[in-house]
Amino acid sequence: DGGITQSPKYLFRKEGQNVTLSCEQNLNHDAMYWYRQDPGQGLRLIYYSQIVNDFQKGDIAEGYSVSREKKESFPLTVTSAQKNPTAFYLCASTDSPSMNTEAFFGQGTRLTVV
Amino acid sequence: RKEVEQDPGPFNVPEGATVAFNCTYSNSASQSFFWYRQDCRKEPKLLMSVYSSGNEDGRFTAQLNRASQYISLLIRDSKLSDSATYLCVAGRDDKIIFGKGTRLHILP
Repeated sequence: DGGITQSPKYLFRKEGQNVTLSCEQNLNHDAMYWYRQDPGQGLRLIYYSQIVNDFQKGDIAEGYSVSREKKESFPLTVTSAQKNPTAFYLCASTDSPSMNTEAFFGQGTRLTVV
Repeated sequence: RKEVEQDPGPFNVPEGATVAFNCTYSNSASQSFFWYRQDCRKEPKLLMSVYSSGNEDGRFTAQLNRASQYISLLIRDSKLSDSATYLCVAGRDDKIIFGKGTRLHILP
């Protein structure tokens, strides 16, 4: 079955450590996105990528980094520079945002920094 | 100003009532529009796409007014299972933008 997979589902890290969240899709989608969601809040765009080896900052990119070495994969690194990293992180992909196509989401990763 | 803005909510309505959600978008380059539903602690899922001609899916009706840059979602005969957060989404050439969402509570 085609879909988008995030791992792990839950992640605990100590303050000051970098951590990488995985996102893989087998939908052959060009575009991939990372969002952050805090309790009772909407989705805020961290980074997005339209094509392999290219990505752009979203609204809250500070303290995060990404790579897009393969079409299928768009990992997100939460660095120690991110002041409040505890949140629900969602990865999504679309065929193309300019087309009227659905965004597919992974099940999310709940990151808790202690 | 946020690129996609929604009613702040929450909406608390009795079962069987009709509920209307409103959304505005600020970027006239937006080309595609959607409503998503998000259940508590889950990922968002597509509810329906929104077209200029309006579209209906059972109890759900979505409308787009490009001149006013306004999107709406109407839920008729609401059910307890409709309780969720509803997210308005606008897409353009380079990215998709989500509104903050409006939480709906259907009361028995």
